[in-house]
Amino acid sequence: SQKIEQNSEALNIQEGKTATLTCNYTNYSPAYLQWYRQDPGRGPVFLLLIRENEKEKRKERLKVTFDTTLKQSLFHITASQPADSATYLCALDGTDSWGKLQFGAGTQVVVTP
Amino acid sequence: DTAVSQTPKYLVTQMGNDKSIKCEQNLGHDTMYWYKQDSKKFLKIMFSYNNKELIINETVPNRFSPKSPDKAHLNLHINSLELGDSAVYFCASSQPGTTSTNEQFFGPGTRLTVL
Repeated sequence: SQKIEQNSEALNIQEGKTATLTCNYTNYSPAYLQWYRQDPGRGPVFLLLIRENEKEKRKERLKVTFDTTLKQSLFHITASQPADSATYLCALDGTDSWGKLQFGAGTQVVVTP
Repeated sequence: DTAVSQTPKYLVTQMGNDKSIKCEQNLGHDTMYWYKQDSKKFLKIMFSYNNKELIINETVPNRFSPKSPDKAHLNLHINSLELGDSAVYFCASSQPGTTSTNEQFFGPGTRLTVL
C-alpha cells in the first residue's frame, strides 16, 4: 500500500541554523510533491511544489529537493527563525489522481532563540 | 478577505446526533475537498467535488454525506455521530489543471467533539 513517512520526532534547532526535514514514500509515483506549513489550530498553508522532473526548487529561505529514484524529498529552512516554528507536511499527488493529495503526518520544527 | 471559510469553528455534540459543517470559498476555484485530521495529525482526504460533481469519494462511512449546492460551497453532513468521528475537519479548494500547481487552500478547520 502507498505510504508517506516523515520524521515523527520534533526537530529542535537553534535560530540561524538550517533545518532539514525528510519525506520518504513507497508504492507511489507522484507527479509532484508539495510542502505545507501548519500552525496549531489552523489549516495547512501551501509553501512549495516540486514536479517529478525537477531536482530542486527554492523560495526565499526555503529549498526543496526531489529524488524520484530514492523516493525522497528534503525540505530545508535556512537561517531559521523562531517564527518558522510549526509543523511541516509533505503531500504527494499521483499521476492518476489529479487533485487528490496524500499527506504525511508532518514533522514539528521548534526554533529556539 | 477570507479565502476559505468554515462554520462552525467548534462543534460539541452527543453520540447519535446529526450535524452539519459548512464551507465556502471565494477564490473562484472549481474543486473543493473535505479532509479529516485525527488526533495523530494525519490529514486524510474524504471527498472532492469538481464544479458540483463528486470526483473523489474515499472509504468513508455513508453516515457522511457531502453536498455542493454550487461550486463555491461544499457542506458536510454527518448522521448518527460516533465517538470516533471526533477530529478536526478541514475544507479546502484548488484549481487543478495541467498548467496549475494544484496548490490547495485550506479553511481554518472545524473541531468536532463527540461525547
